[in-house]
Amino acid sequence: AQKVTQAQTEISVVEKEDVTLDCVYETRDTTYYLFWYKQPPSGELVFLIRRNSFDEQNEISGRYSWNFQKSTSSFNFTITASQVVDSAVYFCALRGLAYSGAGSYQLTFGKGTKLSVIP
Amino acid sequence: EAQVTQNPRYLITVTGKKLTVTCSQNMNHEYMSWYRQDPGLGLRQIYYSMNVEVTDKGDVPEGYKVSRKEKRNFPLILESPSPNQTSLYFCASSLIPSGVQDTQYFGPGTRLTVL
Repeated sequence: AQKVTQAQTEISVVEKEDVTLDCVYETRDTTYYLFWYKQPPSGELVFLIRRNSFDEQNEISGRYSWNFQKSTSSFNFTITASQVVDSAVYFCALRGLAYSGAGSYQLTFGKGTKLSVIP
Repeated sequence: EAQVTQNPRYLITVTGKKLTVTCSQNMNHEYMSWYRQDPGLGLRQIYYSMNVEVTDKGDVPEGYKVSRKEKRNFPLILESPSPNQTSLYFCASSLIPSGVQDTQYFGPGTRLTVL
């Protein structure tokens, strides 16, 4: 079975600080995809990024960056110069070849990290 | 605009009164899924559908039904709601049901309270 662990339940930072959200995953698959979603206070789930297991290049998108390390099964998410609008719950998710039935690839979510950015 | 829509967004009901939460997507996606989100438990899959008339159980299907008569719609039915079904529900869709790389896009959520 596959598993995603987000050990940080809640994090608080002061605006403009950098913050890293940790994600550790477990899977027996050699091919898998990792995702990050953002859930702002309004409640919707916003897709942020997808990475495949064969591409360990780090990715940067504006103030967001992602560090994928296969050796430690981690896919950490860093927000640079945090802003109040970054306050949200962030979910890491894994999709591998573990079938949940009828050929569907199971998407497993971590329990989320609540980030509060204080002005 | 490409999107997944859900209705209603908020619902308060009483135990035993049948209800349906609708989900619709305009992206011609084959795969659709329902999740529930509960504090401390993250998101758990209820049911999913690989295509029209093809549905299957997720991790927590008890007390729920679904149907997929049209590609764009995937309603979630609670025949006899109970208080333990009070939750935040999300519908999601993705293009290819068998693509491990496929990204699921989520609707805005439906907050259901069963008294």
